[in-house]
Amino acid sequence: QKEVEQNSGPLSVPEGAIASLNCTYSDRGSQSFFWYRQYSGKSPELIMFIYSNGDKEDGRFTAQLNKASQYVSLLIRDSQPSDSATYLCAVNGNQFYFGTGTSLTVIP
Amino acid sequence: DAGITQSPRYKITETGRQVTLMCHQTWSHSYMFWYRQDLGHGLRLIYYSAAADITDKGEVPDGYVVSRSKTENFPLTLESATRSQTSVYFCASSESGGGQETQYFGPGTRLLVL
Repeated sequence: QKEVEQNSGPLSVPEGAIASLNCTYSDRGSQSFFWYRQYSGKSPELIMFIYSNGDKEDGRFTAQLNKASQYVSLLIRDSQPSDSATYLCAVNGNQFYFGTGTSLTVIP
Repeated sequence: DAGITQSPRYKITETGRQVTLMCHQTWSHSYMFWYRQDLGHGLRLIYYSAAADITDKGEVPDGYVVSRSKTENFPLTLESATRSQTSVYFCASSESGGGQETQYFGPGTRLLVL
């Protein structure tokens, strides 16, 4: 079992819709959770981090964490074509682990 | 503000050759990391360093060597390159190693081993 699991997609949503990206992790002791965005051929860049159960909002992005279910998600509201990228979930327990990423395409 | 840079950006080498990938950061971050990214595997940690002269293995360290004589530099050496080491290599840094620290990534080095 991988430390961090993500649905590889691809996920396609129309412009203006809500994109929902999901991630599960195996280490119950994990304390911090990150979402990175990676455009094709580029390096990952941080979008959001979350440490506590519940929701955290930053502009059009909302991260949701449920430690009991070992589940973290990212919602992108009013999706734009510029949001088309691969989204990487990262979990920091005893070490930093990344998921394989979910490819998102926003269709104009 | 250069941030974190990697060189070379692209490298082609042959099986058995030694290759060194360079990483330099200008933020004076304590922690530095080397990852490789492959289709189907995502980002995997090779080695990390908590400070100058302190390094530790990550998830996939075999075939790689690192050193950190200066805080700002963290070179990664493939002692005898193999085809399976064809990958995109990312260096990253963070201000500290606490569980809540964000990692910032360099632009990556694309390595092809023939």
